[in-house]
Amino acid sequence: EVQLVESGGGLVQPGRSLRLSCAGSRFTFDDYAMHWVRQAPGKGLEWVSGISWNSDGIGYADSVKGRFTISRDDAKKSLFLQMNSLRAEDTAFYYCAKDIEYRGSGYSTTGFDSWGQGTLVSVSS
Amino acid sequence: EIVLTQSPGTLSLSPGERATLSCRASHSFSSSYSAWYQQKPGQAPRLLIYGASNRATGIPDRFSGSGSGTDFTLTINGLEPEDFAVYYCQLSRTFGQGTKVEI
Repeated sequence: EVQLVESGGGLVQPGRSLRLSCAGSRFTFDDYAMHWVRQAPGKGLEWVSGISWNSDGIGYADSVKGRFTISRDDAKKSLFLQMNSLRAEDTAFYYCAKDIEYRGSGYSTTGFDSWGQGTLVSVSS
Repeated sequence: EIVLTQSPGTLSLSPGERATLSCRASHSFSSSYSAWYQQKPGQAPRLLIYGASNRATGIPDRFSGSGSGTDFTLTINGLEPEDFAVYYCQLSRTFGQGTKVEI
């Protein structure tokens, strides 16, 4: 069974930075696009960013464009999200998600078939 | 930017009944990109349906999806106690706001 484990969340002041990581296992990591999806407490799901299987395709939600950077290290089977200039409205659980499509793009998706347990990012002074 | 509207916001039903959840898109989209998820409190979402009508691995056949263009539907035939949860539709990168199925 696919396993995705996020880390790096925590409490951070507005304007500061945080880097999230997601370790994947039990699947061929470099054959799949990977995504970050967030959920503010008590709210719905919001796609944040995605990266294609070969890192050639990257997409961002308008709400984070220019502040967040997604990347991957296939040798380490890891996905990252560098979050800069954090705002209170970025407070959410951040989930790492695997694209269902073999060698899919990072800017569109047909679905996420595996999710991590989420890591909480709280932005507050 | 596509907007997805799910209805109803809350669906109150009893075990054994049928649940019909609707998802309407602001403009037409390929059904290949449509999906449905179930989320229970404190858990990550779980993929139920992808490509409008394909059940994900391990999903019981009481869950079914249909639709095309701007209208997509998730049907749960014979609600089981574990089916009471929040359901989200998705079209590519966009999610609906969710429908809560409650007892």
